[in-house]
Amino acid sequence: GAGVSQSPRYKVAKRGQDVALRCDPISGHVSLFWYQQALGQGPEFLTYFQNEAQLDKSGLPSDRFFAERPEGSVSTLKIQRTQQEDSAVYLCASSFRSMNTEAFFGQGTRLTVV
Amino acid sequence: KQEVTQIPAALSVPEGENLVLNCSFTDSAIYNLQWFRQDPGKGLTSLLLIQSSQREQTSGRLNASLDKSSGRSTLYIAASQPGDSATYLCAGFWNDYKLSFGAGTTVTVRA
Repeated sequence: GAGVSQSPRYKVAKRGQDVALRCDPISGHVSLFWYQQALGQGPEFLTYFQNEAQLDKSGLPSDRFFAERPEGSVSTLKIQRTQQEDSAVYLCASSFRSMNTEAFFGQGTRLTVV
Repeated sequence: KQEVTQIPAALSVPEGENLVLNCSFTDSAIYNLQWFRQDPGKGLTSLLLIQSSQREQTSGRLNASLDKSSGRSTLYIAASQPGDSATYLCAGFWNDYKLSFGAGTTVTVRA
């Protein structure tokens, strides 16, 4: 596609509910990243995929967070048993190669846990 | 963790004035630095990527410099317009793939 696409754009979840956030990277991009952005802050790294391999998940805040990219293209970030502190914008980015090349971001999914 | 700082947090200028946005970082072993624009409720739009071997990059009215030894990058926007109003974020690569972001500078250009 022309850019990184994320869905849904907005998600309201009741505390304790599971959510799944989708990311469609730019076609042909090897690397895919998830970031979390709290209000008024810069994005914080969550996890990194090179093709289908999850090479770094050090930024995932807890074991309630899980990400996958089974075929090396679309990725899903899943949050189980959501809590209020999970409320944030979740940004997906992709880049052509794995070595510090320009990252292109999607529009983000704004998650609100009530 | 690499620290990236952007000061001031907010800036208001009249239309036509040149904008100077600052970004500082603590670790001079930076690979690349990328500047982004973020409009309210939107994702990040890449503006410029400065590679470690470069000292500056230019695109239209935008010019970004990188001084690794002093731990600074500056984004210049010439002849600002109301449409330039947004939050500008800088982010650096210190390893192969992970970006470390500043908190951003929110710019308002007054017509």
